[in-house]
Amino acid sequence: ETGVTQTPRHLVMGMTNKKSLKCEQHLGHNAMYWYKQSAKKPLELMFVYNFKEQTENNSVPSRFSPECPNSSHLFLHLHTLQPEDSALYLCASSPGSAGGTDTQYFGPGTRLTVL
Amino acid sequence: QKEVEQDPGPLSVPEGAIVSLNCTYSNSAFQYFMWYRQYSRKGPELLMYTYSSGNKEDGRFTAQVDKSSKYISLFIRDSQPSDSATYLCAMSRREGAQKLVFGQGTRLTINP
Repeated sequence: ETGVTQTPRHLVMGMTNKKSLKCEQHLGHNAMYWYKQSAKKPLELMFVYNFKEQTENNSVPSRFSPECPNSSHLFLHLHTLQPEDSALYLCASSPGSAGGTDTQYFGPGTRLTVL
Repeated sequence: QKEVEQDPGPLSVPEGAIVSLNCTYSNSAFQYFMWYRQYSRKGPELLMYTYSSGNKEDGRFTAQVDKSSKYISLFIRDSQPSDSATYLCAMSRREGAQKLVFGQGTRLTINP
């Protein structure tokens, strides 16, 4: 595997279900991100982790719970979601730098549908 | 007012045409400007990166930043059907370069 991988690629869940999205990066990066991409809306940054520590939470509802056990893996735990949470969830990673450019590389995304 | 405005299109042009894609922004603190390309069922991939004002060229692609007008552009010369994708502009401040703010994306189709 190369780059950033995400599983599953598609997920359908009911509002009472609990599920998790997984992201793995094979680039040796130190920063990882979760984004939400909804139809006709800009990509929204959700969470940022640097060296396994959460450094950004963009006012995300608590029904989304991220976990970063190491610099290569990132999870997004989902529970009690709403239909409006249906979207493409993208993971990204970057080398991690204090300032200046920190190019982000994206995975293919998980298409989530909440019924 | 959105921080970054981008016409969602769709934009359809014939093969070989010059394509101009644009974004405007309101936050004068933005210093880093990027263009991402996103093919259907794929994640975005970085196409061009520019720091502050000026032009940058890479093959058939040219990125322009005009900070005085808070306006950025991406030009595609000799457009090809393989350029058909959604193009996203993104930008960030000097402090907090990891916190990218994206435009809505412009869906582009190049017709053979």
